[in-house]
Amino acid sequence: NAGVMQNPRHLVRRRGQEARLRCSPMKGHSHVYWYRQLPEEGLKFMVYLQKENIIDESGMPKERFSAEFPKEGPSILRIQQVVRGDSAAYFCASSGGESYNEQFFGPGTRLTVL
Amino acid sequence: AQSVTQLDSQVPVFEEAPVELRCNYSSSVSVYLFWYVQYPNQGLQLLLKYLSGSTLVKGINGFEAEFNKSQTSFHLRKPSVHISDTAEYFCAVSVDTGFQKLVFGTGTRLLVSP
Repeated sequence: NAGVMQNPRHLVRRRGQEARLRCSPMKGHSHVYWYRQLPEEGLKFMVYLQKENIIDESGMPKERFSAEFPKEGPSILRIQQVVRGDSAAYFCASSGGESYNEQFFGPGTRLTVL
Repeated sequence: AQSVTQLDSQVPVFEEAPVELRCNYSSSVSVYLFWYVQYPNQGLQLLLKYLSGSTLVKGINGFEAEFNKSQTSFHLRKPSVHISDTAEYFCAVSVDTGFQKLVFGTGTRLLVSP
């Protein structure tokens, strides 16, 4: 049973470009969470989604950031017009099924904005 | 709102010595408690979790933690560390009402030297 998959693992963008980060949850999981880890800091919650629904986006910046989890396909975290301050590691986690109270993390996408 | 405090940003220790990594939380409702480990440039791996029941929780790699409700603490311990335990350790809390976001501490870097 494959774990949580994230791609790309590394992403380099210039200021003003768009970044798209993908997350495929574990098989049988219908809940996806996105977290951001800035250098030398802990993880900060961004958004919690179920299939086709955003449940909690209290940690998402109000502008430029959006997330979706369509009926088919991976969850996408989209950052428009990236700035240097968006450089961070973005982690996806999933939960569901028998492990509903435990989140399983992917390897992360490290975004570098030049 | 919940919060997690990890007072020690870095803990140096010699191989085969015991170690304790401290974690305190604040919450007005019941919580689940977790310890995760992060090796360099990797995602988070669950070490152990407290959901209910016995306050002493045993996890992987010889780690254990004790939930102390009166002191609102969930300290992580290992009686004898290995070089391979060198990593970043994160304490996290989620609200005990089903699917919820995790609130992380800022992490403790465990440095094991020969």
